[in-house]
Amino acid sequence: IAGITQAPTSQILAAGRRMTLRCTQDMRHNAMYWYRQDLGLGLRLIHYSNTAGTTGKGEVPDGYSVSRANTDDFPLTLASAVPSQTSVYFCASSNQLGEQFFGPGTRLTVL
Amino acid sequence: AQSVTQLDSHVSVSEGTPVLLRCNYSSSYSPSLFWYVQHPNKGLQLLLKYTSAATLVKGINGFEAEFKKSETSFHLTKPSAHMSDAAEYFCVVSDISGGSYIPTFGRGTSLIVHP
Repeated sequence: IAGITQAPTSQILAAGRRMTLRCTQDMRHNAMYWYRQDLGLGLRLIHYSNTAGTTGKGEVPDGYSVSRANTDDFPLTLASAVPSQTSVYFCASSNQLGEQFFGPGTRLTVL
Repeated sequence: AQSVTQLDSHVSVSEGTPVLLRCNYSSSYSPSLFWYVQHPNKGLQLLLKYTSAATLVKGINGFEAEFKKSETSFHLTKPSAHMSDAAEYFCVVSDISGGSYIPTFGRGTSLIVHP
């Protein structure tokens, strides 16, 4: 089934630990995105990638890094997690019309 | 720079009555505009999009939106609300940067539907 998968579905993490959220798409979209969703703030863009091999910073990139080694995968890494990174994280890709397709999300709790 | 303002954080309607969710945008170029819906504990789903074709756009589940450049608005409407419409709705403006769309989301409007 075409779409976006994210893993894990949820995670509880101790502060200071390193964590990678995985995202994979099978639609061959060039553009991919990572968002965090917090109550009352909507979705805020963390990082994006226009195509494999390139990445860019969004609105809230601090504390996060991404890589885009190939078209399908776009992992998000928290090098040293802090409680303020507790959030729901959504990965998305977009087609050439700008329509975005979202994964089911990862609920992350940093204690 | 682009921005989106969703004018209401919550909208409450009775089942069978009209729905109006308001969105104003700011963009330096000719933007693409989108509405997405998010049901509880789910990902986001595209409702409809405007990409410089017809100004009245029809989407899924009976929703439609009208692009008004003079008012920089893209309000979402539905003639008759259904209980299943209760969800969070996001207005999105998107400009092309470096050959890709860089979207900006509004903060969302929670639609509450009463029986």
